[in-house]
Amino acid sequence: DAKTTQPPSMDCAEGRAANLPCNHSTISGNEYVYWYRQIHSQGPQYIIHGLKNNETNEMASLIITEDRKSSTLILPHATLRDTAVYYCIVRVWGLGDNDMRFGAGTRLTVKP
Amino acid sequence: NAGVTQTPKFRVLKTGQSMTLLCAQDMNHEYMYWYRQDPGMGLRLIHYSVGEGTTAKGEVPDGYNVSRLKKQNFLLGLESAAPSQTSVYFCASRSFQGNYGYTFGSGTRLTVV
Repeated sequence: DAKTTQPPSMDCAEGRAANLPCNHSTISGNEYVYWYRQIHSQGPQYIIHGLKNNETNEMASLIITEDRKSSTLILPHATLRDTAVYYCIVRVWGLGDNDMRFGAGTRLTVKP
Repeated sequence: NAGVTQTPKFRVLKTGQSMTLLCAQDMNHEYMYWYRQDPGMGLRLIHYSVGEGTTAKGEVPDGYNVSRLKKQNFLLGLESAAPSQTSVYFCASRSFQGNYGYTFGSGTRLTVV
């Protein structure tokens, strides 16, 4: 799986959009971009994933650059409950071993 | 809708003792995983299973064994606990149908003294 690079920490004001970047310059054509988050002491929570098109769901939006070498997770109106570690992962869907490798992620702190 | 349930939630073991962590999912998922998370670090895959009766090693399998006798359960065993196995253990599952994310349990906090 391709490696990802994320900033170790970010701050965001409550009510503002939180934009979390992820670099994956060695991504292959069949690798998806996944985002998870982990709120303190809890298990990780799936947020969103995409291949090359931008994606949106009730939690967030995922913007993938045209060359697919980077992506941004957008939380449109961050709340205090969005304070968490956010993980960006790239992997091939459908592999027989099916494992998801988590790095250190970005610690997002939403401030009042 | 319990999702993924892990038992116990907390445990303290003495070095050399054995124990089994249980993961149960009620979503009829084919794939199940055990991860460990050490302080300030990301999750590392210990073992996983792609179906009942099958298991495979992950990134850090040494010192652990697993079994998947029933589709809904995935057991993680520590035969002789060591202080280095002090960690938070997370179980996850996912369906092989569709390109969906993993569902994680709430974790087991294990301390080996």
